Amino acid sequence: ELKVEQNPLFLSMQEGKNYTIYCNYSTTSDRLYWYRQDPGKSLESLFVLLSNGAVKQEGRLMASLDTKARLSTLHITAAVHDLSATYFCAVETGNQFYFGTGTSLTVIP
Amino acid sequence: DTEVTQTPKHLVMGMTNKKSLKCEQHMGHRAMYWYKQKAKKPPELMFVYSYEKLSINESVPSRFSPECPNSSLLNLHLHALQPEDSALYLCASSPRGRGPYEQYFGPGTRLTVT
Repeated sequence: ELKVEQNPLFLSMQEGKNYTIYCNYSTTSDRLYWYRQDPGKSLESLFVLLSNGAVKQEGRLMASLDTKARLSTLHITAAVHDLSATYFCAVETGNQFYFGTGTSLTVIP
Repeated sequence: DTEVTQTPKHLVMGMTNKKSLKCEQHMGHRAMYWYKQKAKKPPELMFVYSYEKLSINESVPSRFSPECPNSSLLNLHLHALQPEDSALYLCASSPRGRGPYEQYFGPGTRLTVT
């Protein structure tokens, strides 16, 4: 069974600071996704990473994928309060999605 | 239309009730999913339909019964649920047979079993 681990599980950071969330997975997959979830809400798609070395950026978030290391990162630059949410990575294989444990991010003013 | 809709938004039911959750998409996606999500946990896959056929059933108790009447519609029939079944139930859809297989999630149904 494919396992997906994220760290940290909880992250409290000050506004303006930078930080990285890590997503490790256990078997080969070329497709990795990042989602955001606000409390009580559904999942919002952030990034789709389809190949080794893929890098995507949207605002203060940048995601990358290293399929050889089975590692994806979500980098937060100059955090703002609006980024407070839970972030999930998910690995897709055979049309089945395996979700990471989630990282609960709180940005403190 | 890039939207997945779910009804109802909230549902409170007793353990002897029968109810159904509904999910609809009009993006031409041929894979549809049901997930269960408890608070502060990742979504847990329950069922996957591919081309209207059940392709994955993740050992879900029989009190949950999925149905896919057509390529746009997915139902989850609920019967004799337990309080621990209270959760957010998410529906999602994705293309099938061509990548990327990005999932689009509905807003969810918040289910409370009393």
